[in-house]
Amino acid sequence: DVKVTQSSRYLVKRTGEKVFLECVQDMDHENMFWYRQDPGLGLRLIYFSYDVKMKEKGDIPEGYSVSREKKERFSLILESASTNQTSMYLCASSFLAGGFYNEQFFGPGTRLTVL
Amino acid sequence: AQKVTQAQTEISVVEKEDVTLDCVYETRDTTYYLFWYKQPPSGELVFLIRRNSFDEQNEISGRYSWNFQKSTSSFNFTITASQVVDSAVYFCALGTGANNLFFGTGTRLTVIP
Repeated sequence: DVKVTQSSRYLVKRTGEKVFLECVQDMDHENMFWYRQDPGLGLRLIYFSYDVKMKEKGDIPEGYSVSREKKERFSLILESASTNQTSMYLCASSFLAGGFYNEQFFGPGTRLTVL
Repeated sequence: AQKVTQAQTEISVVEKEDVTLDCVYETRDTTYYLFWYKQPPSGELVFLIRRNSFDEQNEISGRYSWNFQKSTSSFNFTITASQVVDSAVYFCALGTGANNLFFGTGTRLTVIP
């Protein structure tokens, strides 16, 4: 079974803190994604990566950065957390073969609250 | 512009009833993909189906069926004989253009025992 794990289910941080959200997948997927999920807005893509050290901006990259040093791990970084980044963050992964629109496997999400 | 509309925010049905979740999409691209994902209370989205724009055949998988109609830009999802385990948020998504997946806002389905 594909497994995507995220470092925390719940996280509370203060405004201005640097926040790291970690995601690990165990199926040797090339693609990895970070989304945020907000009520009434669905899921929005923040960043994705199709290879180690490669990254592409999604719809809403402002205020975020990412790091992919190893194939199985994709980190989302909030350089200086703000209250409007309070959200549910979902990580996903997929195979590259066949294109970008393969089935994505999701982690359980991290609910981040910024106070 | 790419857009996915799930007009039904919440639906409640009694167990064993059939229910249809609507999805309307907008795109000018001729090649695109449509998806349905299920998000149970545990939070992990689960892939249900992918359809490409050249395949309008309806699909049935057990109690689930999907009706893809390009003429109305719709990709509706029907659950037959609903069960409590079907309670979840269901997302429709459109994949097109430059590597982006556009999700709808989701429909929360509650199946009452």
